[in-house]
Amino acid sequence: AQSVTQLDSQVPVFEEAPVELRCNYSSSVSVYLFWYVQYPNQGLQLLLKYLSGSTLVKSINGFEAEFNKSQTSFHLRKPSVHISDTAEYFCAVSGGYQKVTFGTGTKLQVIP
Amino acid sequence: NAGVTQTPKFQVLKTGQSMTLQCAQDMNHNSMYWYRQDPGMGLRLIYYSASEGTTDKGEVPNGYNVSRLNKREFSLRLESAAPSQTSVYFCASFLVTEAFFGQGTRLTVV
Repeated sequence: AQSVTQLDSQVPVFEEAPVELRCNYSSSVSVYLFWYVQYPNQGLQLLLKYLSGSTLVKSINGFEAEFNKSQTSFHLRKPSVHISDTAEYFCAVSGGYQKVTFGTGTKLQVIP
Repeated sequence: NAGVTQTPKFQVLKTGQSMTLQCAQDMNHNSMYWYRQDPGMGLRLIYYSASEGTTDKGEVPNGYNVSRLNKREFSLRLESAAPSQTSVYFCASFLVTEAFFGQGTRLTVV
């Protein structure tokens, strides 16, 4: 069995401040890890993913996440947020072919 | 490139009515999934289809049926809608473990 925990349901942060959205997972097998972003009234879009190799993965819009196997974590960070980053962020884990489990989501609210 | 297309975008049903949510993908993916999204509960898997001709139950299948009509299309049917089925429904197709989502169907059952 696999599971994902996103402890923070909402994270308010001022514009240009750094942010970290936390994600912890459990799985009995090797994992693939994902962050998806959902803008208001839209579907989810892939933000970044860890499949293998370097444990630090980056998105094109400045987000990064680090796979930490010993702490079973895949936290999402950005050094300086913008208003346009306001959205809900979902962490997801896959322990095998197509079996994906999503977390409950973290709403990032960027305050001007 | 349309990706994953869901229809309708919005629907209001009365308790006991039936309806079918449509989903089509043009990426030639084998796997298609139906999720529901409720506040504070994330995405919960209703049904999935690993390939054309196969369907399996997910976490919350009660009250729903699905049909994998062909490789492109995967529909979700509510036979007798209940207020507990008020939700936003998302269809997704998968390339290995990466999901591609539709825009969602916002369903209200009154």
